[in-house]
Amino acid sequence: ELKVEQNPLFLSMQEGKNYTIYCNYSTTSDRLYWYRQDPGKSLESLFVLLSNGAVKQEGRLMASLDTKARLSTLHITAAVHDLSATYFCAVDIQAQGGSEKLVFGKGTKLTVNP
Amino acid sequence: DSGVTQTPKHLITATGQRVTLRCSPRSGDLSVYWYQQSLDQGLQFLIQYYNGEERAKGNILERFSAQQFPDLHSELNLSSLELGDSALYFCASSHIPGASGGADEQFFGPGTRLTVL
Repeated sequence: ELKVEQNPLFLSMQEGKNYTIYCNYSTTSDRLYWYRQDPGKSLESLFVLLSNGAVKQEGRLMASLDTKARLSTLHITAAVHDLSATYFCAVDIQAQGGSEKLVFGKGTKLTVNP
Repeated sequence: DSGVTQTPKHLITATGQRVTLRCSPRSGDLSVYWYQQSLDQGLQFLIQYYNGEERAKGNILERFSAQQFPDLHSELNLSSLELGDSALYFCASSHIPGASGGADEQFFGPGTRLTVL
């Protein structure tokens, strides 16, 4: 059974600082997604990583994927309060016939303090 | 706004009851997925439909069932409700599951918050 582990689960950081969230998974997959969730809200797609070595950046967030190490990272640069949210990584499990599901990590609750 | 709609937003009901959650996918998306988010279990995949047919099943209880209609909207039916079924239920849709180039990216609806008392 696929396991997706995120760490840390809770992250409190000061504005202006940098930090990295890690996402490890236990089986082969070359599709990984990062989502953001604000309290009581839906999941907002941040990044779609589809191949080994993929790197994507949007604003202060950068995500990368190493399929050989089964590791994805979400790097936060010069954090601002607006980035406070819970971040999920999700690994795509594809079976035959195009069926698929996402297996989510437990999420990293990020709090950015002024 | 992802383009996926879900109704109702909130649902409060009693144990033993049955409820139906509704989802309309993004225009042009053929696949619908249902997920449950609870504090103790996190986000869990329940079931996937593609163009009206069931494609994949996850940790879905036998008390729960779903279907996708010809107009591609989907309904999740939850019966004999228990306190532990209280959760946020998300629907997501994608264009072509398993497609390359990101065409299978899942977009999530706003969710239905179910409270079982």
